[in-house]
Formats: sequence, C-alpha cells, structure tokens
Amino acid sequence: GEDVEQSLFLSVREGDSSVINCTYTDSSSTYLYWYKQEPGAGLQLLTYIFSNMDMKQDQRLTVLLNKKDKHLSLRIADTQTGDSAIYFCAETSTLTGGGNKLTFGTGTQLKVEL
Amino acid sequence: KAGVTQTPRYLIKTRGQQVTLSCSPISGHRSVSWYQQTPGQGLQFLFEYFSETQRNKGNFPGRFSGRQFSNSRSEMNVSTLELGDSALYLCASSLRDTAHSGNTIYFGEGSWLTVV
Repeated sequence: GEDVEQSLFLSVREGDSSVINCTYTDSSSTYLYWYKQEPGAGLQLLTYIFSNMDMKQDQRLTVLLNKKDKHLSLRIADTQTGDSAIYFCAETSTLTGGGNKLTFGTGTQLKVEL
Repeated sequence: KAGVTQTPRYLIKTRGQQVTLSCSPISGHRSVSWYQQTPGQGLQFLFEYFSETQRNKGNFPGRFSGRQFSNSRSEMNVSTLELGDSALYLCASSLRDTAHSGNTIYFGEGSWLTVV
C-alpha cells in the first residue's frame, strides 16, 4: 500500500536554506507533489516532479527525487518568515476505477526564526 | 483565473444533523476530489468524480456521499453527523483524469465543519 513519511518539525534561521525530506512507498507513483498549508488555510500547490526526473528547480524551490530510495526533498533557498507553514509531500496512486488519489505525509512544520 | 471555491467556509452542526458542502472547480477542470483533514488522521481521500461519475471512494462509511453536476461543480453530504466528523474538508480540482497526463491538482481553502 501507499505510505508517505515526513519529519514533523524543522526550525531554521531567516536567510538560511531549508530542506524538508519525504519518503514514499508506491513505486508506481508518476507524480510527487509539495503543498504548503498556512494556518486556517487550504493547500497551496508549490511544485511537483514527474517520476522520470531527478531534479526540478522553480525560483527558490528545488525538488530532488531519488527514485531508487523513494526519497523526495524540497529545498527552500533564502528562507523567509513568510515560509513558516506546514509542508506536505504527496504521492499519486492510480485507482482501480481510473483516476487517482493523493496520499499525503503527516506534514512538516517549518518555523523560520529571525 | 479563479481558483477552487468552497462554500461554506465555516459551519457548526449538531450531532445527528446532516451537512452539504459545495465545491466549484477551476474553470475547465473536470475532475473533483474530496479530502478530509483532521489532527489525528491527517489528510485522507474521500472520493473522486469525473464527468459526473464517482469513480473511487476512500475508506469512509456510507454516511459520506457526494455528486458532481454537469458543470463540474460538486457537493458532498454527510448524514447523521458524529463528533468525529469535525474536520477541514478540502476539495481538489484537476484538468485531466489520470496520474499519467501531467495532472496538476489544486485545492480550495476548505470548509471547516465543527460538530457539537
């Protein structure tokens, strides 16, 4: 079955880089996603990576994928206080009825300190 | 381009009542999925609709149901509410219907349901 694991907390200083890690189990996942959730809000799509890629960069965000180890990471360069939020990693699973669902990790609470 | 719109944003219901939540996907998106988020269970898949058909359902009791209309708008209903149904209900919208077609999935702000 599908399972996604993340560490629960990460604290960094403003201006440093943050690295949030995630491991997943479904080797058939074609897309892996990173979402950000601020207090009281929904999920904001940050970025995603296709399973045949090993890296994707989008402004301050870099996603690294190690498909062999089923390990995904999100690096945020020059972390700002506005980056403080919960970050969710999610893998896609194709369902028997067609379509897909997302299986989410527990989320990593990122705290950015001055 | 408007995002995924969910209504109502907040609601309080009493045990035993029923509730209907609404989701309008991004214009042109045909797939709508629903997720439940609770502190204890995290984010869990409820169901997925495409072209007015429910194609998949997560591991939730029959009290949870939904539908999709011809304009892709979706509603979910929870009957005979229990305290444990208190959660953030999130709707997700995507253009295509499979994981193999560059399917970016966008979420709304959610509906906060409190059952007392």
